[in-house]
Amino acid sequence: DPKIIQKPKYLVAVTGSEKILICEQYLGHNAMYWYRQSAKKPLEFMFSYSYQKLMDNQTASSRFQPQSSKKNHLDLQITALKPDDSATYFCASSQNTLYFGAGTRLSVL
Amino acid sequence: GQQVQQSPASLVLQEGENAELQCNFSTSLNSMQWFYQRPGGSLVSLFYNPSGTKHSGRLTSTTVIKERRSSLHISSSQTTDSGTYLCALDPYTGYQNFYFGKGTSLTVIP
Repeated sequence: DPKIIQKPKYLVAVTGSEKILICEQYLGHNAMYWYRQSAKKPLEFMFSYSYQKLMDNQTASSRFQPQSSKKNHLDLQITALKPDDSATYFCASSQNTLYFGAGTRLSVL
Repeated sequence: GQQVQQSPASLVLQEGENAELQCNFSTSLNSMQWFYQRPGGSLVSLFYNPSGTKHSGRLTSTTVIKERRSSLHISSSQTTDSGTYLCALDPYTGYQNFYFGKGTSLTVIP
């Protein structure tokens, strides 16, 4: 059974719209992360959270906002979507070892 | 990405050949992890290896902190080993954070 659940698996959005990517982990980890991987770029670190607090943000755009309503949740809200935002977004968590969810593949038309 | 350099960028092997993948880092090291990713797939952890040598089947990971490098050795490669191999560095910053190299794309041909 997957221990890091990402929803939805696939997402199609129109330019200018807003979407929320869901991530829940059942590993009991305190640290959670978002990474992005687009077709022509390597895996890119976006955010890290520890105990529901933002530890690091390497995403230049404020259109990307993580939301942590519970210790084991770290959702990602993306506003004013652009075609360049098309990518697979991976959620991860760690307690020493890093584990990944299956990803949400976002396509912005 | 700038803290972690992986080589080679791509590699093609004949089935049965061995491979040595390198990961060099420019910062202090808290931990090092190796991952495998199929095209379009998620990342699967192969090794959590902050120092020394670890084995798992045909895979061996060696991290030498003083030399700021980690390697992944694949012996007797199989076509199912094809995919991308990534290393991830957790530098010592007071909290865990993982930075990835650009990966090595491995293709094993029969």
